[in-house]
Amino acid sequence: QVQLQESGPGLVKPSQTLSLTCSVSGGSVSGGDLYWNWLRQPAGKGLEWIGRMYSTGTTNYNPSLKGRVSISRDTSKNQYSLNLSSVTAADTAVYYCARDTGTLGAVDFWGQGTLVTVSS
Amino acid sequence: DIQVTQSPSSLSASIGDRVTITCRPSQSIYGYLNWYQQKPGKAPRLLIYSTSNLHSGVPSRFSGSFSGTDFTLTISSLESDDFATYYCQQSYSIPPLTFGGGTKVENK
Repeated sequence: QVQLQESGPGLVKPSQTLSLTCSVSGGSVSGGDLYWNWLRQPAGKGLEWIGRMYSTGTTNYNPSLKGRVSISRDTSKNQYSLNLSSVTAADTAVYYCARDTGTLGAVDFWGQGTLVTVSS
Repeated sequence: DIQVTQSPSSLSASIGDRVTITCRPSQSIYGYLNWYQQKPGKAPRLLIYSTSNLHSGVPSRFSGSFSGTDFTLTISSLESDDFATYYCQQSYSIPPLTFGGGTKVENK
């Protein structure tokens, strides 16, 4: 059974960079036809896809985030990470890491989510 | 970007009711439509992938279909565990992967 767990600061100051890590067990971030995603959900609102990394290391990002996003990985630790720069209060949300089945794009395993608040 | 319009945004239903939720994409997505259930404070859970395929462990009262321009999630007989918010998601054209706005199913 694949398990994902987000970790990182729960509070980030405006204009700084939000950094989160997703630790994966029960599966490899560098194997198979799989994508490793970041998504977020502001309180009381819907889901927004941030971006993803394929098992080969190729990345896709949501154009709406205007180049503020980068996703990287550490295959030795079986982890992948999110950096979101120049944050504002609008970036306050629960952030999820999640896996999708590359061919179908269905997100079948999710982390529990971590709340990140942007505030001074 | 492909937009997905989900309706209704909320509905009230009783145990045993048949519930339907609809999603209409802004262009053809060739069946690449998935459905999720989310309960408060929890991550979403995949219910159905590729229009009509039930994900592992999902009860058979959930089903998905497509007709014309609309994708539909149906709960054949609502149970207490089904009160939640439901989202559709297109996976045909990425980036970006896009979700519908959600449908909250409440107890009448």
